[in-house]
Amino acid sequence: DADVTQTPRNRITKTGKRIMLECSQTKGHDRMYWYRQDPGLGLQLIYYSFDVKDINKGEISDGYSVSRQAQAKFSLSLESAIPNQTALYFCATSDAPNNEQFFGPGTRLTVL
Amino acid sequence: LAKTTQPISMDSYEGQEVNITCSHNNIATNDYITWYQQFPSQGPRFIIQGYKTKVTNEVASLFIPADRKSSTLSLPRVSLSDTAVYYCLVGDPPGGSYIPTFGRGTSLIVHP
Repeated sequence: DADVTQTPRNRITKTGKRIMLECSQTKGHDRMYWYRQDPGLGLQLIYYSFDVKDINKGEISDGYSVSRQAQAKFSLSLESAIPNQTALYFCATSDAPNNEQFFGPGTRLTVL
Repeated sequence: LAKTTQPISMDSYEGQEVNITCSHNNIATNDYITWYQQFPSQGPRFIIQGYKTKVTNEVASLFIPADRKSSTLSLPRVSLSDTAVYYCLVGDPPGGSYIPTFGRGTSLIVHP
């Protein structure tokens, strides 16, 4: 079984809809991250959490919110989806000491 | 946060050695250099990490000169399956506030 899972893997939605992307991990890591990737570009950090009570904005947090329900779960919400949020979304985890990141398989989101 | 610069793209042929150089002129004393590999539609995966001189594992070698202002990822005898995007990250992973930041990376295409 995969250590980092994301649901759904693909989602098509309409402008204005609220969307939640979920991430679960079995690695026991404290740190979790949400990134988005646009075609041909690198990964941009949306939000990150260093433990259950810690939530931090990344480079591009506008239009997004997160919830860290437990050490193993980190959800990303788009309150009112817009077309330029169409992208590939990745969840990742890491832990001390070297903070090597482990990524989920990604969620491909299309906003029409 | 140390800024990194790496080529946007590179081409190679099967069986050749590939060297990808990353510039990081303002690297801090506690910073490490970490490389990730990303295949299309997959999340990045950790390849190698080093602080100085040379690090080698079963996948790649990482060369870091004494001034640490640049580093070179070396892939020996590449195959078609090494076609991917390679990211260079600089930061202090053991530090409490380390946040992995991915740029656009280097897109390596290996030709038959």
